[in-house]
Amino acid sequence: GAVVSQHPSWVICKSGTSVKIECRSLDFQATTMFWYRQFPKQSLMLMATSNEGSKATYEQGVEKDKFLINHASLTLSTLTVTSAHPEDSSFYICSAKDQGLPYEQYFGPGTRLTVT
Amino acid sequence: AQSVTQLDSQVPVFEEAPVELRCNYSSSVSVYLFWYVQYPNQGLQLLLKYLSGSTLVKGINGFEAEFNKSQTSFHLRKPSVHISDTAEYFCAVSEGQGYSTLTFGKGTMLLVSP
Repeated sequence: GAVVSQHPSWVICKSGTSVKIECRSLDFQATTMFWYRQFPKQSLMLMATSNEGSKATYEQGVEKDKFLINHASLTLSTLTVTSAHPEDSSFYICSAKDQGLPYEQYFGPGTRLTVT
Repeated sequence: AQSVTQLDSQVPVFEEAPVELRCNYSSSVSVYLFWYVQYPNQGLQLLLKYLSGSTLVKGINGFEAEFNKSQTSFHLRKPSVHISDTAEYFCAVSEGQGYSTLTFGKGTMLLVSP
């Protein structure tokens, strides 16, 4: 149980275009989802916390207009990278918190974004 | 604010040798502590967690960790490693009575060679 999926697993896009990444909790309801960014050989940096039915809370330094987060249901959150640039290339990982198990986050497999 | 320090960026060991990956944290309140493993191009998998109770925590794949409040440490150990344990290991802390966000250390790459 407690599986989180992400789609796509990797994506290549041209500079200036937008890319949407989906994060789904497959077998549990997630009132809270988190979006992280990971640069090569570095740790995970929290970008934003997404609560179902409300606006996401962004960490300091993260542009909310560039990284649009929507959490429309208890099993789906999306991250849209708008007007992507090469510096947005990174590994994006989502996680979800099971509302019945508040102390644990379940992580998705990640999405590799390359902007050319 | 909470923070996590993993002093070793890389730990090379031979197969079947014991290993310890170090983790120290800083927090002014009670904490929950976690160890995650990440294989190349994959997400994170929880190895073990400390929420309360016994300070020695056993996890998956033969790993264990000990919470030491006085030394603010949560070192990860395994008595005999396998080649398949080669991966990046992250220590993380969550602060407070309720559940807050996770703060990760910079990670330790465990390299197991034959």
